Amino acid sequence: NAGVTQTPKFQVLKTGQSMTLQCAQDMNHEYMSWYRQDPGMGLRLIHYSVGAGITDQGEVPNGYNVSRSTTEDFPLRLLSAAPSQTSVYFCASSYSDLTGGTGELFFGEGSRLTVL
Amino acid sequence: AQSVTQLDSHVSVSEGTPVLLRCNYSSSYSPSLFWYVQHPNKGLQLLLKYTSAATLVKGINGFEAEFKKSETSFHLTKPSAHMSDAAEYFCVVSEIGGSYIPTFGRGTSLIVHP
Repeated sequence: NAGVTQTPKFQVLKTGQSMTLQCAQDMNHEYMSWYRQDPGMGLRLIHYSVGAGITDQGEVPNGYNVSRSTTEDFPLRLLSAAPSQTSVYFCASSYSDLTGGTGELFFGEGSRLTVL
Repeated sequence: AQSVTQLDSHVSVSEGTPVLLRCNYSSSYSPSLFWYVQHPNKGLQLLLKYTSAATLVKGINGFEAEFKKSETSFHLTKPSAHMSDAAEYFCVVSEIGGSYIPTFGRGTSLIVHP
């Protein structure tokens, strides 16, 4: 009964390095998304996907890349890390409910990233 | 377009007293509304949701919220606060027939004093 699994939980990078945050869900949800959480800012949407092969930008996409080759996986890539990307990152998945809207979001435990 | 405003960034209560966390929303379509809770260093967990059924929604841990269309509000309440309720609370709106992408409020930090 895994739900949404994110790895790694903690990561320290140097400016300019690249890395990938992994996200996998086992609920066959078509909707997946990545958020970053910063103090006083709530959760801000980075990228999202409404199905395999379909991705789109959210509110704060710059410096991040995503792909969705399977329903289960939605990795987030930091192309060239910057100190401004120090944050806690959450992956979430959801489904379309019977009303045609979004059902509740199921969240991973988060990945805490520090960029020096 | 949709938006959500949580009217208080911090709410402080004493244990055993009522809790009120305020949320106003804006939506061009029929909204789905959610409250999530985040305990320190944890992920977010669903407290309750409104999806055009009963306007008074009951959630986990004794929380409930009332959808008031005329006031565009979805305030979260609990009759008696417990120390374990201390956490960050997020109000979220998504549109039925709209953008499909949930919009988060900035969060309300609930502080519970002994």
